[in-house]
Amino acid sequence: EPEVTQTPSHQVTQMGQEVILHCVPISNHLYFYWYRQILGQKVEFLVSFYNNEISEKSEIFDDQFSVERPDGSNFTLKIRSTKLEDSAMYFCASTSSGIYEQYFGPGTRLTVT
Amino acid sequence: AQSVTQPDIHITVSEGASLELRCNYSYGATPYLFWYVQSPGQGLQLLLKYFSGDTLVQGIKGFEAEFKRSQSSFNLRKPSVHWSDAAEYFCAVSGYNFNKFYFGSGTKLNVKP
Repeated sequence: EPEVTQTPSHQVTQMGQEVILHCVPISNHLYFYWYRQILGQKVEFLVSFYNNEISEKSEIFDDQFSVERPDGSNFTLKIRSTKLEDSAMYFCASTSSGIYEQYFGPGTRLTVT
Repeated sequence: AQSVTQPDIHITVSEGASLELRCNYSYGATPYLFWYVQSPGQGLQLLLKYFSGDTLVQGIKGFEAEFKRSQSSFNLRKPSVHWSDAAEYFCAVSGYNFNKFYFGSGTKLNVKP
């Protein structure tokens, strides 16, 4: 069964450093999402992406964040200058026309020290 | 405002006992409702979904959920729990047109032998 994959599974970085989280959505999907889950808190929406542009973003998704689909298969989330409060599990998800459930990857745990 | 409430943070049941996990939602339009399960180190796996029609929906692993519009609820049930069901369960609500998901805080299920 097709699945969403994410790399790395765990990323440790120092405050102020840039990180890029990688996702490979299911191949025929057209809608892509990033969510995050701070330890002990809800899974919360960051951004959705369709047709090579952001379709919606949350107030968390400020200028420090960006997303890109560089090559038609990968979907990346970049944090330009990480803060301690960016430490969280980041989930990528995808879906397509005719289906409404989102398929989630296993997540990348980001630890900012 | 859109939100999902899962009132039980932790639940412990004995193997073979029945299970009900509660979910209440607030959503301004026709809700699409989902239950996901997350095992340690794993991504979010879809258990079942409700879009329309029969308000009792069947999912994988023997789970079912009932949509009650009058109570704004979508409770998850299983008649006989197995040790492998120990995991965290998330209720989510979305709307039409590939909208973002709103997640509840999750319920951690512990299964006693």
